Amino acid sequence: RKEVEQDPGPFNVPEGATVAFNCTYSNSASQSFFWYRQDCRKEPKLLMSVYSSGNEDGRFTAQLNRASQYISLLIRDSKLSDSATYLCVVNKINATGRRALTFGSGTRLQVQP
Amino acid sequence: NAGVTQTPKFRILKIGQSMTLQCTQDMNHNYMYWYRQDPGMGLKLIYYSVGAGITDKGEVPNGYNVSRSTTEDFPLRLELAAPSQTSVYFCASSSPTRTHSYEQYFGPGTRLTVT
Repeated sequence: RKEVEQDPGPFNVPEGATVAFNCTYSNSASQSFFWYRQDCRKEPKLLMSVYSSGNEDGRFTAQLNRASQYISLLIRDSKLSDSATYLCVVNKINATGRRALTFGSGTRLQVQP
Repeated sequence: NAGVTQTPKFRILKIGQSMTLQCTQDMNHNYMYWYRQDPGMGLKLIYYSVGAGITDKGEVPNGYNVSRSTTEDFPLRLELAAPSQTSVYFCASSSPTRTHSYEQYFGPGTRLTVT
């Protein structure tokens, strides 16, 4: 089982739609959670951190369910510019006692006019 | 701040050649990382460093070497390049925040082809 699993998509949605992505992680000791955005042939950039109580940043809402070990990202009122791959990222302590990020393979979103 | 910079942007290597991918950050971050990303895949950690003089292996270190002589620079060395090392290489840096969340900042990547 992969440490971080995501549906690769693509999710094709019309402008203005609401779309949600889920991500599951296998290591219950994981401590921090993030959503990164990656545009085609570009570097990943942090979209938002995911806090235990859930958090919102404009049209984006992230939630964490530790009991079920999943993270979600909700995008409301989708824009063409939201088209990208969304990476689920989990921070854990590795075998050497250091913190390390594990990246999911990403979910591709295509917003259509 | 320039953030994280990487050179070169593109490179084609022949099998068996060697090269160094350069990475520099000007944010005074103590943590630095090297990842590779194969098409349609997530990022795999190659090596990382928690400070000058300290490096650790990541998930896929074979065929690579690193050094960290300064806080700013974290070069990645490929010895005896193989076609399996064809990938996009990203360097990243981070610094612990108050929440210890270790958010990472990435460079623009180096696209490497080994033929």
